[in-house]
Amino acid sequence: GESVGLHLPTLSVQEGDNSIINCAYSNSASDYFIWYKQESGKGPQFIIDIRSNMDKRQGQRVTVLLNKTVKHLSLQIAATQPGDSAVYFCAETRGGYNKLIFGAGTRLAVHP
Amino acid sequence: DVKVTQSSRYLVKRTGEKVFLECVQDMDHENMFWYRQDPGLGLRLIYFSYDVKMKEKGDIPEGYSVSREKKERFSLILESASTNQTSMYLCASLRPGSSYEQYFGPGTRLTVT
Repeated sequence: GESVGLHLPTLSVQEGDNSIINCAYSNSASDYFIWYKQESGKGPQFIIDIRSNMDKRQGQRVTVLLNKTVKHLSLQIAATQPGDSAVYFCAETRGGYNKLIFGAGTRLAVHP
Repeated sequence: DVKVTQSSRYLVKRTGEKVFLECVQDMDHENMFWYRQDPGLGLRLIYFSYDVKMKEKGDIPEGYSVSREKKERFSLILESASTNQTSMYLCASLRPGSSYEQYFGPGTRLTVT
């Protein structure tokens, strides 16, 4: 069935390094993808989005790459900081009413 | 800034109790959503509403109902709480047409004993 999943449940990086969080999706009809960040004790917060007609989109210190051929999405964080420590979710659109399907999440741990 | 608030951060209820979780958004958004979040499962959609008094089932509606009497308020109801409904509950809202970005509340951690 349709699903959004993640390759790595936990990612540990050194402060200052670049982080890459991966996500696989199975619905080739999805036309919109979002990355959310969830800090401890808070609700998910929007980071960046990308439409299916794009391969890459950049924000502040973050870049999302979309490879439709292999149905793969990644979030790159440059110069990772302790404040980036959180759980990251990818999500894809499905059906009407702006519904989203979320992946299981990846925990990013940033070490000094 | 969009603000989505949830009535309680932590809630402890007993099996069989009727539980109300309240969500309020202040940005006049048409669409509102209720999710539950469990470790390793991500966020799963319980119910959503696209207008006042309108509701649609999500992926896991069993054991839940919802109410939307006013545009800014979306309530999740557990008719008879069970231990397998112990979870983090997240509310979100969205204005259709702007983007698919959903704005989330801080969550309510419900424990059913």
